[in-house]
Amino acid sequence: DAKTTQPTSMDCAEGRAANLPCNHSTISGNEYVYWYRQIHSQGPQYIIHGLKNNETNEMASLIITEDRKSSTLILPHATLRDTAVYYCTCRGGGSQGNLIFGKGTKLSVKP
Amino acid sequence: KAGVTQTPRYLIKTRGQQVTLSCSPISGHRSVSWYQQTPGQGLQFLFEYFSETQRNKGNFPGRFSGRQFSNSRSEMNVSTLELGDSALYLCASSLGGTEPTRGYFGPGTRLTVT
Repeated sequence: DAKTTQPTSMDCAEGRAANLPCNHSTISGNEYVYWYRQIHSQGPQYIIHGLKNNETNEMASLIITEDRKSSTLILPHATLRDTAVYYCTCRGGGSQGNLIFGKGTKLSVKP
Repeated sequence: KAGVTQTPRYLIKTRGQQVTLSCSPISGHRSVSWYQQTPGQGLQFLFEYFSETQRNKGNFPGRFSGRQFSNSRSEMNVSTLELGDSALYLCASSLGGTEPTRGYFGPGTRLTVT
């Protein structure tokens, strides 16, 4: 499974878009990019996943570069409740096992 | 539909004891994965069960074991507890087929070993 690299922390003003980058330069052709977030001491929450096309759902948008070596999660209008640790991970197939989460990005949304 | 449930939510054990944690996946989900989360190591994969069979296994000692029942409920067991086993233990439920799908995490069991 591909290793991912994310910035340790980021700040965002409430109401502004939060853009969280992730590098996954060793991703293989059948691996999907998944994003999860974890609010303090709760179980991680699924946000979005994608293979190569940009994806959007009610929570966020996922932009994957054409070479698939990096991606960006976009929270279009960040709120205080979006303060959390955001994890980018890569996995092939339907299994949710052996997800390698790394350290993630601590996003702080400030008023 | 009901989410993933984990019991107990909190547990205090003594070194050398053993512990069993339970995870009930979302109805219809056949895959259950277990993760350990500590401040130092972050989220680490323990094992995954699919249709009562262990499908993947992380790099943990044999003291950590698990099983899955025919109704997809899963248990994990840790024998001969060590202080370093203090952690938040999370399980994730998913359909588990070949198509990529989201995972649903439970609230976790907070284990403290004294």
